[in-house]
Amino acid sequence: QKEVEQDPGPLSVPEGAIVSLNCTYSNSAFQYFMWYRQYSRKGPELLMYTYSSGNKEDGRFTAQVDKSSKYISLFIRDSQPSDSATYLCARNYGGSQGNLIFGKGTKLSVKP
Amino acid sequence: DAEITQSPRHKITETGRQVTLACHQTWNHNNMFWYRQDLGHGLRLIHYSYGVQDTNKGEVSDGYSVSRSNTEDLPLTLESAASSQTSVYFCASSLAVSGEQFFGPGTRLTVL
Repeated sequence: QKEVEQDPGPLSVPEGAIVSLNCTYSNSAFQYFMWYRQYSRKGPELLMYTYSSGNKEDGRFTAQVDKSSKYISLFIRDSQPSDSATYLCARNYGGSQGNLIFGKGTKLSVKP
Repeated sequence: DAEITQSPRHKITETGRQVTLACHQTWNHNNMFWYRQDLGHGLRLIHYSYGVQDTNKGEVSDGYSVSRSNTEDLPLTLESAASSQTSVYFCASSLAVSGEQFFGPGTRLTVL
């Protein structure tokens, strides 16, 4: 079983909707969680970076970690067509064990 | 501006041939990574390097090799290309082992 599970979607929402993207993880030792955004035929780019015990907000994006349920979420407020992309969650242990393990990604489409 | 580049961007080859994919970064990052991305599997780590002369196997390293002779480059070699290695390959680099990874634009490889 992959250590980070992510619903691949696809997810289609109307412009302006609130989007919730979710991942679950199995190992409580994970320290860092990241959300990457990948546009079609491009490389992934970092969107949000959180520690295991924190929430983080950046503009329309909020990353949330629920340690009790081993759930990580990315919320997008006032979604825009330009948010249409695949969103990848990733985790690492931190320190010298820093290699990332990625979820399979959720494909989001925001319709005008 | 500092960047990470990959070449070629597209490659078609035949089974059994040796193929080398280039990755070059100008950030002076010690840490470099190679991933492959396939539908249904997401991003999977092939090889990684934490510095010059350091190379390590990732999750899906069979049939691939890397060498690190300088900080800027981490070429990926497919010793004898197989159809199962048809994929999109991404190179990434990071300053800190557990920090943000910056991805290249990808190389789309087709093995016939």
